[in-house]
Amino acid sequence: DTEVTQTPKHLVMGMTNKKSLKCEQHMGHRAMYWYKQKAKKPPELMFVYSYEKLSINESVPSRFSPECPNSSLLNLHLHALQPEDSALYLCASSQVGTGNSPLHFGNGTRLTVT
Amino acid sequence: AQSVTQLGSHVSVSEGALVLLRCNYSSSVPPYLFWYVQYPNQGLQLLLKYTSAATLVKGINGFEAEFKKSETSFHLTKPSAHMSDAAEYFCAVSVRRGAQKLVFGQGTRLTINP
Repeated sequence: DTEVTQTPKHLVMGMTNKKSLKCEQHMGHRAMYWYKQKAKKPPELMFVYSYEKLSINESVPSRFSPECPNSSLLNLHLHALQPEDSALYLCASSQVGTGNSPLHFGNGTRLTVT
Repeated sequence: AQSVTQLGSHVSVSEGALVLLRCNYSSSVPPYLFWYVQYPNQGLQLLLKYTSAATLVKGINGFEAEFKKSETSFHLTKPSAHMSDAAEYFCAVSVRRGAQKLVFGQGTRLTINP
């Protein structure tokens, strides 16, 4: 069983919809991440939160809006997405340290934009 | 800039044969290196990590990797392949300390033939 829980597992949304992806971890990690993974490609970093503050934004379009309400929760708010945004969205968490802390991934939300 | 290159997008071996998945890194500082595995419709799972404590690193499921500075390599091996090893494997390097930025290689799909 994964220790990082993502909901929903699947999401289909139209280009005018607003939806949110949710991620939860209870490992006491203070760094949380959103990655986007297209089919047959490696994960690409989108956002990093450290101690509930946004520390990295990889020039992600504003139609993706992250939120970290507390140390256990991470949300990704979606609005006016494009079909090319269809992908597997992975959440991860880790300790904040010297760079050798492994990331723990959830099983992802498979998003389809119609 | 730190990066990793995985040689071979697809590797096919027979059950019981040696598994060798290749990863070369580029880094101006001592790297932190990771191998992750991704099974279909799942997130990424850590196999092992190199953090300079030992050059030969043992991981889960019988996998190990050897860090060779002279060759800038961190190849993943398993003496005897099992059908359950069929998956996508990613090598990754941590390029930032603290809330880290993990950069992945392109991935290698491992197929096991009966």
